[in-house]
Amino acid sequence: GIQVEQSPPDLILQEGANSTLRCNFSDSVNNLQWFHQNPWGQLINLFYIPSGTKQNGRLSATTVATERYSLLYISSSQTTDSGVYFCAVKDFNKFYFGSGTKLNVKP
Amino acid sequence: DAGVIQSPRHEVTEMGQEVTLRCKPISGHNSLFWYRQTMMRGLELLIYFNNNVPIDDSGMPEDRFSAKMPNASFSTLKIQPSEPRDSAVYFCASSGGGNSNTEAFFGQGTRLTVV
Repeated sequence: GIQVEQSPPDLILQEGANSTLRCNFSDSVNNLQWFHQNPWGQLINLFYIPSGTKQNGRLSATTVATERYSLLYISSSQTTDSGVYFCAVKDFNKFYFGSGTKLNVKP
Repeated sequence: DAGVIQSPRHEVTEMGQEVTLRCKPISGHNSLFWYRQTMMRGLELLIYFNNNVPIDDSGMPEDRFSAKMPNASFSTLKIQPSEPRDSAVYFCASSGGGNSNTEAFFGQGTRLTVV
C-alpha cells in the first residue's frame, strides 16, 4: 500500500503563531484529505485537496501531486486548533492515513 | 444530511461477550469503511464495502471480527468473542464509491472497552 509520512510528529505553539504541517506520500494518488481530530476524538474534514491550493479562514492547504506532498498551513493559531492533524490519501478504494501531527497550542 | 451516524458512542463489555457496532452512512454514498484507532497502531482500515459488497477485508484482525452491510443505509461490525485487546475507538466512514474522487466523512466513533 501507499506509505504516508507526516511531519513533525509533535508541535507546540504559542497562541497566535503560524505553522506548516507536511504530508509526503509514496505513490500517485487521486484523492487527498486533511482531517483534524479534536480532543474529543472527532475526525473533522478540513480539506479535500488532490491538487492545488485551497483556503478556509485561517487554514490553507496545498498539494503538489507530481512531487507527492501536501502542506497544511495554520495561521494565527488558537487553542481550539489543538488536536491531531491527519493526512489521508486514496488509492483506488482505500484510504491510507499518516500517523498524524499532534498540535498543542498554548494560551 | 446528519452525517455518518454510529451507535453506540460508548460500549463497555466483559471479555467473551459479543459486541455489535452500528453505522448509518451518508445517504447516496456507496462506499463504507470501518476503521479502528489505537494509540499503538493509529488508524487501521479493517474492511470496506462498495455498493454493499465487501471488497477488501484484509485488515480484519481475525475470525472473531465480522462485518455486514445488508443494505445501502446500514452496516454492522461484530466482535465475537470480545477480548481486552479489542479495546479501541472504531470509526465508520462513507464516501462516493469506486474510483470517484469524493470526500470521505467519518462518524463520531464508538469507544469500546473490553474488561
